[in-house]
Amino acid sequence: ETGVTQTPRHLVMGMTNKKSLKCEQHLGHNAMYWYKQSAKKPLELMFVYSLEERVENNSVPSRFSPECPNSSHLFLHLHTLQPEDSALYLCASSQLATDTQYFGPGTRLTVL
Amino acid sequence: QQQVKQSPQSLIVQKGGISIINCAYENTAFDYFPWYQQFPGKGPALLIAIRPDVSEKKEGRFTISFNKSAKQFSLHIMDSQPGDSATYFCAASRAGNNRKLIWGLGTSLAVNP
Repeated sequence: ETGVTQTPRHLVMGMTNKKSLKCEQHLGHNAMYWYKQSAKKPLELMFVYSLEERVENNSVPSRFSPECPNSSHLFLHLHTLQPEDSALYLCASSQLATDTQYFGPGTRLTVL
Repeated sequence: QQQVKQSPQSLIVQKGGISIINCAYENTAFDYFPWYQQFPGKGPALLIAIRPDVSEKKEGRFTISFNKSAKQFSLHIMDSQPGDSATYFCAASRAGNNRKLIWGLGTSLAVNP
């Protein structure tokens, strides 16, 4: 595997389910990001992890819970989501003090 | 309040033509301006980026023009090809603030064969 990978690629869940999104970067980076991409909206930065510490949480509802166990892995735990949470969730990574972020292919989430 | 405004929302160009996408920003502290390209089913990928110390940067068929006084920058795709059909995003960031990227809304480009 190369670059940034995300699993699953598609996820359909009910509002009462609990699921997790997984991201893995194979680039040796030390910063990782979760973004939400919705139609007709700018990419929304949700969380930033720098050296495995969360450094940013952009007022994201508590039903989204991130986890960064090491510099290569990032999870987004989901519970009691709402239909408006349906979107493409993108993971990205970068090297600290550089500007370029490398994105995974995303997880297409549908909340019924 | 949208800090980076991108236009047009969609663009149709004939093969061989020039595609032009524009972005305007408000925060004069921004010092890094990338363009990302996103194909369906893929995440955005960095296409080309510029810093305010130069007015133009060219990489192959892709050129960024930067106008610091007008707080605008644009992407020009020369000799547009059907394979360039994608969504293009401009963004901006500044030092510190975790280098957070502020994104435009995106432009859907279709290049007709």
